[in-house]
Amino acid sequence: SQTIHQWPATLVQPVGSPLSLECTVEGTSNPNLYWYRQAAGRGLQLLFYSVGIGQISSEVPQNLSASRPQDRQFILSSKKLLLSDSGFYLCAWSVGSRASTDTQYFGPGTRLTVL
Amino acid sequence: SQQGEEDPQALSIQEGENATMNCSYKTSINNLQWYRQNSGRGLVHLILIRSNEREKHSGRLRVTLDTSKKSSSLLITASRAADTASYFCATGAGNMLTFGGGTRLMVKP
Repeated sequence: SQTIHQWPATLVQPVGSPLSLECTVEGTSNPNLYWYRQAAGRGLQLLFYSVGIGQISSEVPQNLSASRPQDRQFILSSKKLLLSDSGFYLCAWSVGSRASTDTQYFGPGTRLTVL
Repeated sequence: SQQGEEDPQALSIQEGENATMNCSYKTSINNLQWYRQNSGRGLVHLILIRSNEREKHSGRLRVTLDTSKKSSSLLITASRAADTASYFCATGAGNMLTFGGGTRLMVKP
């Protein structure tokens, strides 16, 4: 069966510090991968998605970047965090041979607080 | 901007009652999905209904889709305290899923 992992689970970082959040998927090959951000009590905002190694699409211009160095690894980064980067970050995957509008499977999330 | 908008934003019911949540959207879609999120956790997929379907069932869940009105509803029958969560609709269009703001459901024992 497929599983998706995210770490760390929680993170408190000062403004201006770098960020690296990691997401890995097990039990499937060539998945579509997604990074979302969720503000408190709100819906999900798609940040990045990837259909293959090294292929990243950005949906919202911002202080963040994403990379996919391996087939089942997706990394969210920032060189200098802003207060507005605080939120709940969710990684998700969907079957790579299907459209990105198909069912997505979510990781447990990372709660990021920037102080 | 969000494609799907849920209504109501919050809903409080007693255990055993039915819960109905609605989702409206603006543009043509390929499918519409409902997800559940427990507090502080990731989203869990509940059900997907395609644009050529009108109704779908899964256990205690019933989803309807009216493409002429650009709306969907999620009905949870005989609710349980464990159904307490936020419920999100997501519309699939183009190559993207777009999530609404969610309905927070509280089921009181």
